Amino acid sequence: DTGVSQDPRHKITKRGQNVTFRCDPISEHNRLYWYRQTLGQGPEFLTYFQNEAQLEKSRLLSDRFSAERPKGSFSTLEIQRTEQGDSAMYLCASSETGGGREQFFGPGTRLTVL
Amino acid sequence: EDQVTQSPEALRLQEGESSSLNCSYTVSGLRGLFWYRQDPGKGPEFLFTLYSAGEEKEKERLKATLTKKESFLHITAPKPEDSATYLCAVWDTNAGKSTFGDGTTLTVKP
Repeated sequence: DTGVSQDPRHKITKRGQNVTFRCDPISEHNRLYWYRQTLGQGPEFLTYFQNEAQLEKSRLLSDRFSAERPKGSFSTLEIQRTEQGDSAMYLCASSETGGGREQFFGPGTRLTVL
Repeated sequence: EDQVTQSPEALRLQEGESSSLNCSYTVSGLRGLFWYRQDPGKGPEFLFTLYSAGEEKEKERLKATLTKKESFLHITAPKPEDSATYLCAVWDTNAGKSTFGDGTTLTVKP
């Protein structure tokens, strides 16, 4: 059982740079989710995919954020022109098809914007 | 807008001292309430899913219950290794997304 994996685990970047994170879901899961979590807060929903289709995107998500899942397997989350407020833990999760299914989380990518 | 409120924010217990964590929710199209455990610096770990009022789930020292407005996570005779942040989340089938509470940080002293 490989579980959900994320890469990199840590990323330090300078303000204004672009960053990209990768998530590999559990192989038999069709749904993939992205969340952002800051210290002392619960995960905040960003977006999710059903196979390669992006079904929902938080209206709080800036245009600087974009996510893809081109072949319905791994996904990438890109943040353009990073700001200090983007510093957070970015979590990926996957689940079987259907609303209300339990989500299994990866270890997260910790982003620090200097 | 969906809302999930967890209380207390922090809870300190002595080993063996049972207690309960609360999760109150407002959601238009509830399709599942979830409990997760999160250790510092790690991703949340799935514990339970509850779908309908009156449903209960148990795992070792943990028991989750659900009513129409709230869920409880009961911890019986906790051990220091139960120390973690416990998160509650709901899936809104109308909005097509999850909403998490901010968690209860549990500390169990030996």
